[in-house]
Amino acid sequence: DQQVKQNSPSLSVQEGRISILNCDYTNSMFDYFLWYKKYPAEGPTFLISISSIKDKNEDGRFTVFLNKSAKHLSLHIVPSQPGDSAVYFCAASTSGYGNKLVFGAGTILRVKS
Amino acid sequence: KAGVTQTPRYLIKTRGQQVTLSCSPISGHRSVSWYQQTPGQGLQFLFEYFSETQRNKGNFPGRFSGRQFSNSRSEMNVSTLELGDSALYLCASSLNQLGTGYGYTFGSGTRLTVV
Repeated sequence: DQQVKQNSPSLSVQEGRISILNCDYTNSMFDYFLWYKKYPAEGPTFLISISSIKDKNEDGRFTVFLNKSAKHLSLHIVPSQPGDSAVYFCAASTSGYGNKLVFGAGTILRVKS
Repeated sequence: KAGVTQTPRYLIKTRGQQVTLSCSPISGHRSVSWYQQTPGQGLQFLFEYFSETQRNKGNFPGRFSGRQFSNSRSEMNVSTLELGDSALYLCASSLNQLGTGYGYTFGSGTRLTVV
């Protein structure tokens, strides 16, 4: 049972435009959501997170939106840059249950210059 | 400050053998978690150790085991290797004790190939 789903295996965007990566979850116990970026042969790098008590969190070019009723979150990157090309993973956790993250399968983002 | 260090970076083993992977967390981090990444599967949680105690365990067979030492360094062991165990094994450490996952820092991983 896949509790965190990233239904788009890949996304291609023109440099300077907005990239929107989506993530759906099924477990109502999740109360913390994170996005990671991964380059080949490297470990994932933390990008941005959001608590379930919020519906939006911004950090520079990155904004995460959370819609709890729809069990959906999205990552917006504006403007997109070629260096953003990587695999993006959505992850979720339940506070109080230790540091166990449940990851989606990832979305490959390609930013074309 | 030094990041999360995983050794070795690459490993080739034969089916049926056993393997031990090592992870040194960021200084001061007491939580260490292990994940398996295979193509198209994302990262699958193996287990988490906090202060030498296994705090969480994923849905992997008993061939996968781990431990944490008093200096927070952690090892994971896979016995009786199968071809399907070929994967990138990632370790993450965290200072956080609340279990939110915030601030996880990953190592670069160990690429295990079973032939």
